[in-house]
Amino acid sequence: EAQVTQNPRYLITVTGKKLTVTCSQNMNHEYMSWYRQDPGLGLRQIYYSMNVEVTDKGDVPEGYKVSRKEKRNFPLILESPSPNQTSLYFCASKDGYTGELFFGEGSRLTVL
Amino acid sequence: KQEVTQIPAALSVPEGENLVLNCSFTDSAIYNLQWFRQDPGKGLTSLLLIQSSQREQTSGRLNASLDKSSGRSTLYIAASQPGDSATYLCAPNWIYQAGTALIFGKGTTLSVSS
Repeated sequence: EAQVTQNPRYLITVTGKKLTVTCSQNMNHEYMSWYRQDPGLGLRQIYYSMNVEVTDKGDVPEGYKVSRKEKRNFPLILESPSPNQTSLYFCASKDGYTGELFFGEGSRLTVL
Repeated sequence: KQEVTQIPAALSVPEGENLVLNCSFTDSAIYNLQWFRQDPGKGLTSLLLIQSSQREQTSGRLNASLDKSSGRSTLYIAASQPGDSATYLCAPNWIYQAGTALIFGKGTTLSVSS
């Protein structure tokens, strides 16, 4: 089954404790991206990657890092999480032929 | 900067009604537009993808149309059911941003009562 898998789905952490949210897709898509969703603000892009070793900032990259060492994986790294990073995070990959975007189930992060 | 507006922001209807959700976007140079459904606290499920060369797409009770020149798309839901209750998001994908973000509207939250 074609899917985008994120882990963990739920996480509560404390300020300053580094964490990584993993994302993996099995559709051989070159393009992957991370979004955060907040009430009243909608979905905003954090980072995207057009291919292995190619990443770029989206609209709200501050406080986040990403890496793309393999085509299937695109982890989101919060080096020193802060409470304003409490949010619902989504990973997505895009079919290069149709442009269709596929989303993971989301990761709800709470930073205390 | 591109903007996407969805109207109405919220909609409550009784079961069985036919509905129209609207999406408007600045700058008509898109190469496709995607409609999504999101249940509370859940991920986004792709409903329909319309390429810029198409005028509409249909899937079951859903029909999406695209008028690129006027910067508008509509999602038509026929014979609504309580299970259709969710937030519906549209996301145009711009040509010169083909490698970057789709921009999402803030959605229309639909509630269908039985």
